Amino acid sequence: EPEVTQTPSHQVTQMGQEVILRCVPISNHLYFYWYRQILGQKVEFLVSFYNNEISEKSEIFDDQFSVERPDGSNFTLKIRSTKLEDSAMYFCASSEGQQFFGPGTRLTVL
Amino acid sequence: KNQVEQSPQSLIILEGKNCTLQCNYTVSPFSNLRWYKQDTGRGPVSLTIMTFSENTKSNGRYTATLDADTKQSSLHITASQLSDSASYICVVSFLTPSFGNEKLTFGTGTRLTIIP
Repeated sequence: EPEVTQTPSHQVTQMGQEVILRCVPISNHLYFYWYRQILGQKVEFLVSFYNNEISEKSEIFDDQFSVERPDGSNFTLKIRSTKLEDSAMYFCASSEGQQFFGPGTRLTVL
Repeated sequence: KNQVEQSPQSLIILEGKNCTLQCNYTVSPFSNLRWYKQDTGRGPVSLTIMTFSENTKSNGRYTATLDADTKQSSLHITASQLSDSASYICVVSFLTPSFGNEKLTFGTGTRLTIIP
């Protein structure tokens, strides 16, 4: 059964550094999403992406964040100048109707 | 503001027992309601999806109900197993104008622990 994959599973970085989280959506899906879940809190929507552009974004998704689909398979989330409060699980999802979630990347900012 | 509230926050039951988790929502307009299971450190996995016209949906030992008038849903787990220990998240979906995209609003989840 096709699934969404994410790499790395765990990323540790120093405050102020840039990180890129990678996702490979399900191949025939056209809508892509990033979500964030801070430890002990609920999953929060960050951004949705369709037809090579952002279709929706939340107030969390400020200029520090950017998304890209650099080729036909990968979907990336870049976080510039990371802060301690960016530490969270980041989930990618893709859909052609129902959204399917990846296993997540745990980002730890020290 | 669109919100999804769940209760209880956490629940501990003995293996083999049944339990019911609750969800209240204020999301409008409403497309569908889903229940997800999330194991610790993993992504959410869909259990059931119901449109506003459906009252109940089953998936094995999981049965979800929906009352669109009162904006309440429940997830009933029958004959619980140790592997049911996880967070159960109620998620309400609505369509946004942008390209027919759907947007999910997540509840805070119920942390269920099954003890032998």
